[in-house]
Amino acid sequence: EPEVTQTPSHQVTQMGQEVILRCVPISNHLYFYWYRQILGQKVEFLVSFYNNEISEKSEIFDDQFSVERPDGSNFTLKIRSTKLEDSAMYFCASKVGGSGSYNEQFFGPGTRLTVL
Amino acid sequence: SQQGEEDPQALSIQEGENATMNCSYKTSINNLQWYRQNSGRGLVHLILIRSNEREKHSGRLRVTLDTSKKSSSLLITASRAADTASYFCAVSSGGGADGLTFGKGTHLIIQP
Repeated sequence: EPEVTQTPSHQVTQMGQEVILRCVPISNHLYFYWYRQILGQKVEFLVSFYNNEISEKSEIFDDQFSVERPDGSNFTLKIRSTKLEDSAMYFCASKVGGSGSYNEQFFGPGTRLTVL
Repeated sequence: SQQGEEDPQALSIQEGENATMNCSYKTSINNLQWYRQNSGRGLVHLILIRSNEREKHSGRLRVTLDTSKKSSSLLITASRAADTASYFCAVSSGGGADGLTFGKGTHLIIQP
């Protein structure tokens, strides 16, 4: 069964460093998402991406964040200058899309980001 | 902003019993989805119910939606130890690329 994959599973970085989190969505999906979950808290929406551009973003997704689909398969989240409070589990998700908006979003296993 | 909020926050039952978790939200929605998360792992999609549906079944799962009360429930019948996990509801307001708004989740423990 197709699934969303994410790399790395765990990333440790120093405060102020740039990190890139990678995702490979399910191949026939058209909509892509990033979410984060701070330890012990709920999952929070960051950004959605469709047709090679950002569709929607939350207030968390400030200028330090960017997303890109550099080729036909990868979807990346970049944090330019990490802060301690960026430590969280980051989830990528994708959905088929199409004319309706009922489609389920399928999540990857997550990347645990630790900022020291 | 709309929110999914689950209750109870934690639920512990004996294997074989039924588990019921509830979710409430604040604004109109397009659909509501339930996810499971095992400790430290990713989110597994369980079931989606559309705003024009009232009940949906999938295996041992039964989901109801009451849009007049802005609430949903997830029932797991004949629970198993492997059902131990956190369960989240997530709402979508519609639109093709809208993000999901998650609740804080219910941590379900099935005692063997």
